Amino acid sequence: AQSVAQPEDQVNVAEGNPLTVKCTYSVSGNPYLFWYVQYPNRGLQFLLKYITGDNLVKGSYGFEAEFNKSQTSFHLKKPSALVSDSALYFCAVRDPGNTPLVFGKGTRLSVIA
Amino acid sequence: GAVVSQHPSRVICKSGTSVKIECRSLDFQATTMFWYRQFPKQSLMLMATSNEGSKATYEQGVEKDKFLINHASLTLSTLTVTSAHPEDSSFYICSARVPGQGNTEAFFGQGTRLTVV
Repeated sequence: AQSVAQPEDQVNVAEGNPLTVKCTYSVSGNPYLFWYVQYPNRGLQFLLKYITGDNLVKGSYGFEAEFNKSQTSFHLKKPSALVSDSALYFCAVRDPGNTPLVFGKGTRLSVIA
Repeated sequence: GAVVSQHPSRVICKSGTSVKIECRSLDFQATTMFWYRQFPKQSLMLMATSNEGSKATYEQGVEKDKFLINHASLTLSTLTVTSAHPEDSSFYICSARVPGQGNTEAFFGQGTRLTVV
C-alpha cells in the first residue's frame, strides 16, 4: 500500500529565507507524487506534481520539489519564503488511473516577518 | 485548472437531522469523485469513492448508511450525513479529476464545515 510521511508537524522560517518541507514516500511501483496547500477553512490547492521526467519539478507560487528515487523523497522547496506562504502543506501519492490520493499528515508552515 | 464547487461552505444542524453536501464539477464531467473527511489539525481521510450511475465504494470503517452518497449525474455528487450527531462535526472535502487524463492532479472543492449541536 502507498503511504507518505511528513516528519515535521511544524516548520518555522523567516521571511526571505529558503524553506523546505519534507516528504518521503512508500509505493509498490512508480509513484505519482503531489503537493497541495490548504488555507484555513478552505479546500486544497494544487502546487505541483511528479509523474515522470525531470526530477526537479516547478510549480505554482515559486514552489519546487525534487524527486529523489534513492532516498524515496519529494521535498517541497522555495528559495525565498513569504509571509503569505504560511499555511498547511500536504504531500500526497496515488496509483496510476482514477484512484484517490493518500495524504501525509500535513506540515504547518509559519513564515515570520 | 478545472473547478470543483462544494456547497454549502458551512452548516450548523441539530442532532438527529440530516445534512446534504453537494459537490459539482463546473467545467468538466467527472465519472468519479472522492469524498474526504478532515478532523482538526489532522490529514484528509478518504471516506468513499463516488461513481456516476453506480453505488459508491466506502472505505473500511465508514458507515454507508450514515454517509449516503449519490452520484446521479456526471457533474454532481452529494454526501448526506443522516441522523447527524456531534461526533460527525468535521470538515468534509470532495475532489475530482478530469477523466481520460491519467496524469492530472485532483481538484478540490472548498470544503464544508459541519457543526452538529
